[in-house]
Amino acid sequence: GEDVEQSLFLSVREGDSSVINCTYTDSSSTYLYWYKQEPGAGLQLLTYIFSNMDMKQDQRLTVLLNKKDKHLSLRIADTQTGDSAIYFCAESTSGGSYIPTFGRGTSLIVHP
Amino acid sequence: DAGITQSPRHKVTETGTPVTLRCHQTENHRYMYWYRQDPGHGLRLIHYSYGVKDTDKGEVSDGYSVSRSKTEDFLLTLESATSSQTSVYFCAISGTGSNYGYTFGSGTRLTVV
Repeated sequence: GEDVEQSLFLSVREGDSSVINCTYTDSSSTYLYWYKQEPGAGLQLLTYIFSNMDMKQDQRLTVLLNKKDKHLSLRIADTQTGDSAIYFCAESTSGGSYIPTFGRGTSLIVHP
Repeated sequence: DAGITQSPRHKVTETGTPVTLRCHQTENHRYMYWYRQDPGHGLRLIHYSYGVKDTDKGEVSDGYSVSRSKTEDFLLTLESATSSQTSVYFCAISGTGSNYGYTFGSGTRLTVV
């Protein structure tokens, strides 16, 4: 079945760039997402990318998609302490009910 | 998040008692979902609904039932709560499919003692 894998932790210094990686197995994935979860809150959609794109940029966020390797990454430029959170990768396909499969989340810790 | 509310936010209940969690939306979205979040497991889908009275099971549906009698409300019921159901429960909504992503509620922290 479908699977989405992420590393569990990432620690960076404030002002550096953060890169969170994700791999997925479903070759028919059509949509890929990044969600952010702050402590005590629900998940918030950060950005999404269609599988026919290889890059999407939105202010400090850059999403790169390598469809051949089924690899998705989220780069956060000039990482701030407020970026400390859990980041979830998710993928869904265009058939059926579009229900996404989520990774287990990467906990980003930003040190001052 | 604006447009979706979960109640209660916190609940402690005893093993064997029934518990109902409520998700209410004001977005008139067709799709609604219940997830549970546990350390080491990420998010797991319990049940979802694709319309009034139309529901289906997710990957961890055992011990849970749902009902959707109107567009805005999706109820999750634990018929007889067990300690393994101690978790944080999230409701999510989406428009036509979830290709543009979900909107999540703030969660319900349930403790079964």
